[in-house]
Amino acid sequence: EAQVTQNPRYLITVTGKKLTVTCSQNMNHEYMSWYRQDPGLGLRQIYYSMNVEVTDKGDVPEGYKVSRKEKRNFPLILESPSPNQTSLYFCASSLKAQGDTGELFFGEGSRLTVL
Amino acid sequence: GESVGLHLPTLSVQEGDNSIINCAYSNSASDYFIWYKQESGKGPQFIIDIRSNMDKRQGQRVTVLLNKTVKHLSLQIAATQPGDSAVYFCAETLDTGRRALTFGSGTRLQVQP
Repeated sequence: EAQVTQNPRYLITVTGKKLTVTCSQNMNHEYMSWYRQDPGLGLRQIYYSMNVEVTDKGDVPEGYKVSRKEKRNFPLILESPSPNQTSLYFCASSLKAQGDTGELFFGEGSRLTVL
Repeated sequence: GESVGLHLPTLSVQEGDNSIINCAYSNSASDYFIWYKQESGKGPQFIIDIRSNMDKRQGQRVTVLLNKTVKHLSLQIAATQPGDSAVYFCAETLDTGRRALTFGSGTRLQVQP
């Protein structure tokens, strides 16, 4: 089944404790991206990747890191989480970074709470 | 704008009726538009897209209309079913590699049996 898989789905952590949210897609997609969804602010892009070893900042990159060592994986790293990073996070992928299809496939979301 | 679960505009329709969900987009330079459906506890799901060189596109039971003059999108759902109940977002973007979608505030569709 074609899908974008995120882990963990739910996490409660404390300020300063490094964490990684993994994202994996099995569709051989070139493009991957991370969004956060907050009440009143909607979905905002954190980082994106056009292909392996190519990553760049989105609209709200502060406090986050990403890597794209393999085509299928795009982990989101919070080196020192803070309470303002409490949010619902979505990973998304699409076949091509540019061109015919802009259809983004989203994962199920990871709800993160930072105390 | 508002987001999922926070006082979203709500459209309530009877099962079998047609639904029309409207969206005003913000950037006149946007050239690609997408409608997403988000069910409770799930990620957004692609419904249909349209490029700025079109004013109408049809899918299965759904039609998207684009009016660039007034920066307005609409999603029409024919014969609405209970499974259509969800929050619907329009999204706009410049069709560049960054593919950063700017999402609208969302509309909650409630289908009454």
